[in-house]
Amino acid sequence: AQSVTQPDIHITVSEGASLELRCNYSYGATPYLFWYVQSPGQGLQLLLKYFSGDTLVQGIKGFEAEFKRSQSSFNLRKPSVHWSDAAEYFCAVEVSGNTGKLIFGQGTTLQVKP
Amino acid sequence: DVKVTQSSRYLVKRTGEKVFLECVQDMDHENMFWYRQDPGLGLRLIYFSYDVKMKEKGDIPEGYSVSREKKERFSLILESASTNQTSMYLCASSSSIAVNEQFFGPGTRLTVL
Repeated sequence: AQSVTQPDIHITVSEGASLELRCNYSYGATPYLFWYVQSPGQGLQLLLKYFSGDTLVQGIKGFEAEFKRSQSSFNLRKPSVHWSDAAEYFCAVEVSGNTGKLIFGQGTTLQVKP
Repeated sequence: DVKVTQSSRYLVKRTGEKVFLECVQDMDHENMFWYRQDPGLGLRLIYFSYDVKMKEKGDIPEGYSVSREKKERFSLILESASTNQTSMYLCASSSSIAVNEQFFGPGTRLTVL
């Protein structure tokens, strides 16, 4: 069965430091992959998505993610974190068969220290 | 911009009550979804709908039902609310034509006492 794992439940980084959030998936074919962000008390907002082509994907708010098929990973990165990036981040993969359904990871909560 | 709205941000109900959560999207999307979000569990799919009057069970449908009488509206129904249904409920929609990015509403935090 398809699954998404975010190994880090909680990460704390200092403002201005770099960030990498990990995401591993299990899927037989080339997946459709997504990263969403949820600010406190809000719904989810799409940061970026990967469908095909260039494996380095640029998103909003200065985020990027790299698809690595050999490692079944889609890690999210940002070179310099801002205090406003404190939020919960979710990785998701589309269920096979163009169903429109997504499977979400457990989420990673990012705390930013001043 | 796609807009998905949910009828309430916060809701408090008593055990045994019938609860309706409403979701409306304004982008003519075919697909609509209901999730519940609990700490450490991420988002879990309750029900989804590909079209008007069509519905399919997700991963955790027990204790819930849905209704989709109009394309823009997707309702989640708790027939007899229980305390273990206290959670954040998120609605989402997506187009079946474009690649399947989902757009989310702000969520309803439901507390069942």
